[in-house]
Amino acid sequence: AQSVTQLGSHVSVSEGALVLLRCNYSSSVPPYLFWYVQYPNQGLQLLLKYTSAATLVKGINGFEAEFKKSETSFHLTKPSAHMSDAAEYFCAVSESGGYQKVTFGTGTKLQVIP
Amino acid sequence: DTAVSQTPKYLVTQMGNDKSIKCEQNLGHDTMYWYKQDSKKFLKIMFSYNNKELIINETVPNRFSPKSPDKAHLNLHINSLELGDSAVYFCASSQQTGSETQYFGPGTRLLVL
Repeated sequence: AQSVTQLGSHVSVSEGALVLLRCNYSSSVPPYLFWYVQYPNQGLQLLLKYTSAATLVKGINGFEAEFKKSETSFHLTKPSAHMSDAAEYFCAVSESGGYQKVTFGTGTKLQVIP
Repeated sequence: DTAVSQTPKYLVTQMGNDKSIKCEQNLGHDTMYWYKQDSKKFLKIMFSYNNKELIINETVPNRFSPKSPDKAHLNLHINSLELGDSAVYFCASSQQTGSETQYFGPGTRLLVL
């Protein structure tokens, strides 16, 4: 069974500082991994995804994530936080083969302090 | 053009009532989903349809009944609403399951009084 754990339900960073949101996964087969962002009162939208190609994945808005199989991690980073990055971030995992559901983590709320 | 739309956006109703939420996608996707997001932002899949066929049916009370009249529409009917049904319900679509990106609607905020 697949699962994903996001460490830290709330993360605060200063504007211009590094953003690091942690995600660890569990999967019995090579996984597909996703980061989604949810702005207030909106649906989720994809930031980036890993589908077994390059292990360093670049996404929208300057975000990137690195797939580390040995650590079962897929942490999300951004070199310099912007006020507009304040949102809820969800890590998610899916597996290949047949009709596979996506399992979402519990989310991390990112606060950006001016 | 809105890719995934839901109606209504807000729904306030009394316990025991029956209500429906509609979802439409204009992306030409084959797969559609219903998710429930609770007050702690936890997002849980409820159902998934592929080309009008039910493919994922999580442990959801049978008061919840999805219906897909065609692959562009997935509606959710809820009977005998309970206080615990209060949540935000999101519809989403993707080309297939697995590695495909899901596109979410704006959500329907349901409040049961």
